[in-house]
Amino acid sequence: SQQGEEDPQALSIQEGENATMNCSYKTSINNLQWYRQNSGRGLVHLILIRSNEREKHSGRLRVTLDTSKKSSSLLITASRAADTASYFCATASNTGNQFYFGTGTSLTVIP
Amino acid sequence: EAGVTQFPSHSVIEKGQTVTLRCDPISGHDNLYWYRRVMGKEIKFLLHFVKESKQDESGMPNNRFLAERTGGTYSTLKVQPAELEDSGVYFCASSQSPAGVYSKQYFGPGTRLTVT
Repeated sequence: SQQGEEDPQALSIQEGENATMNCSYKTSINNLQWYRQNSGRGLVHLILIRSNEREKHSGRLRVTLDTSKKSSSLLITASRAADTASYFCATASNTGNQFYFGTGTSLTVIP
Repeated sequence: EAGVTQFPSHSVIEKGQTVTLRCDPISGHDNLYWYRRVMGKEIKFLLHFVKESKQDESGMPNNRFLAERTGGTYSTLKVQPAELEDSGVYFCASSQSPAGVYSKQYFGPGTRLTVT
């Protein structure tokens, strides 16, 4: 399988704490993207990091990419209750035709 | 601008019946993708349309699944006959450029299919 895997599967933290989720994948990639899914809704794109980038920031989000280890991490700083959702990493094949998602990390932020 | 819409939001059918899911992408998006998430598992790619052409349908599980995109606008995904293992959430996404080429996808809310 070329799908990624997120770690941990579930994470529960207190509001204000930082949340870190990891993603591993198996093939060479064009880019890696992180998505969020709130219960009952579609996936929302959070951030894209290209294969030649090592770190990227967007607001309270920080993403790192280590292509030698085929892994990425998503850090959410100063978490809020509204951050409660499932988070998925997705890798794009070099042709751009296929997108591989991981199993997701379920994040619960306790107010 | 309207986002990606999917219909129905939830469908409950009996094994052996037929169900057709519909996806309306964002206007002007040539690329349309179908995905499926079976309970507790990863989101799996099903197929990719570029306009009305199937660019990649390697993820379609078997010939009970038929996807169309007539005219390159909305797309339908038909399951006939449905089996219990087809239950899950079916997502549609669209993008201007192929998703892998520095382009993000916009997802619909999904259709939850329950086969009993």
